[in-house]
Amino acid sequence: AQKVTQAQTEISVVEKEDVTLDCVYETRDTTYYLFWYKQPPSGELVFLIRRNSFDEQNEISGRYSWNFQKSTSSFNFTITASQVVDSAVYFCALSDLDRGSTLGRLYFGRGTQLTVWP
Amino acid sequence: EAQVTQNPRYLITVTGKKLTVTCSQNMNHEYMSWYRQDPGLGLRQIYYSMNVEVTDKGDVPEGYKVSRKEKRNFPLILESPSPNQTSLYFCASNGQGTEAFFGQGTRLTVV
Repeated sequence: AQKVTQAQTEISVVEKEDVTLDCVYETRDTTYYLFWYKQPPSGELVFLIRRNSFDEQNEISGRYSWNFQKSTSSFNFTITASQVVDSAVYFCALSDLDRGSTLGRLYFGRGTQLTVWP
Repeated sequence: EAQVTQNPRYLITVTGKKLTVTCSQNMNHEYMSWYRQDPGLGLRQIYYSMNVEVTDKGDVPEGYKVSRKEKRNFPLILESPSPNQTSLYFCASNGQGTEAFFGQGTRLTVV
């Protein structure tokens, strides 16, 4: 069965520290997508990145970077030089593409609350 | 502008009084779903729909109903709300393999 685990419930760092949010997933499918979302204190869900299962290249976007490793079924998210505005709940999610009955369904982890102190 | 619109944003109701939360998307997405978010439990899927007239239960469907008569709309119905359904609700839509677009959320309080 599809499952996403974010073992870190809460993380606190001080501004300018680097922080990595872990995401481990389970799926029997060979074709799938992985996502990260951010939920700031205002409550909306903001899409950050999508990665398909055939592309293991790491991605960097400004202070954000993502490390996808199929060998360990992980899709970790690193914020470099964190800022107070990065404080939010971050969700990792999985979408499978092989199963007809659940095609397109998203499976979310429980989220990691990141607090960045000034 | 691509968006998912859900209404209302806030709702306080009494136990047993039927209510509907509306959700509409303008991206022609096949896939729509409802989630509830509770502290420490993340986003849990209530119902999802793969297309018009095709709906299925998610992880926490008890006490909820949905319908998908048109591709753009996916209302969430609480026939007899109870206090344990007090939560933050999100509607979402996506295409195959695309990111989900979320509505702004509905904060429901059942007293």
